[in-house]
Amino acid sequence: KAGVTQTPRYLIKTRGQQVTLSCSPISGHRSVSWYQQTPGQGLQFLFEYFSETQRNKGNFPGRFSGRQFSNSRSEMNVSTLELGDSALYLCASSQIRGADTQYFGPGTRLTVL
Amino acid sequence: GENVEQHPSTLSVQEGDSAVIKCTYSDSASNYFPWYKQELGKRPQLIIDIRSNVGEKKDQRIAVTLNKTAKHFSLHITETQPEDSAVYFCAASYSGGSNYKLTFGKGTLLTVNP
Repeated sequence: KAGVTQTPRYLIKTRGQQVTLSCSPISGHRSVSWYQQTPGQGLQFLFEYFSETQRNKGNFPGRFSGRQFSNSRSEMNVSTLELGDSALYLCASSQIRGADTQYFGPGTRLTVL
Repeated sequence: GENVEQHPSTLSVQEGDSAVIKCTYSDSASNYFPWYKQELGKRPQLIIDIRSNVGEKKDQRIAVTLNKTAKHFSLHITETQPEDSAVYFCAASYSGGSNYKLTFGKGTLLTVNP
């Protein structure tokens, strides 16, 4: 099976702009989780989607949002970008919710200038 | 919510030595504990995981132990090789209810010197 894919791989934006990142899970996987990875904070949970519904959300401002489509593909959106949003955004998919192996995508490197 | 502490933040060993990374968690309801390895510029990859009904699990040179009473779990790598050099993350999650999510430790940079 093909692994988790993310597009784009690299993105440069300026403050105040918005950005949309895409994640395609492994075929058959219905749960998609998003994480922000920074050198200082490590891997921080953003949100999880399952069956097109957001099931859980981390401690991030409302500028961070997402959605999931009927084919389990997911997008996350960040509005009004701030310099501190520069990070590697990773998505991970799993077959089911709960104590199941999560497989990560390669990430999208977002740089906010 | 769950909090995962990971130590040490950096670890340097000689090739052939063993390496141990320790994590503690706060939520006694957590029941799934994966370990991920992330090489520079690459995605995190699962190397081993353990569930709360098991005390120890081994896979070749890698082992994980879990102490539910003390709420800590550890990764053991024996006969380390230069290709083991990477950042290792532990994580914990609770599979019940609607509040499922993986909480990660801050990571350990392991350097194996030839």
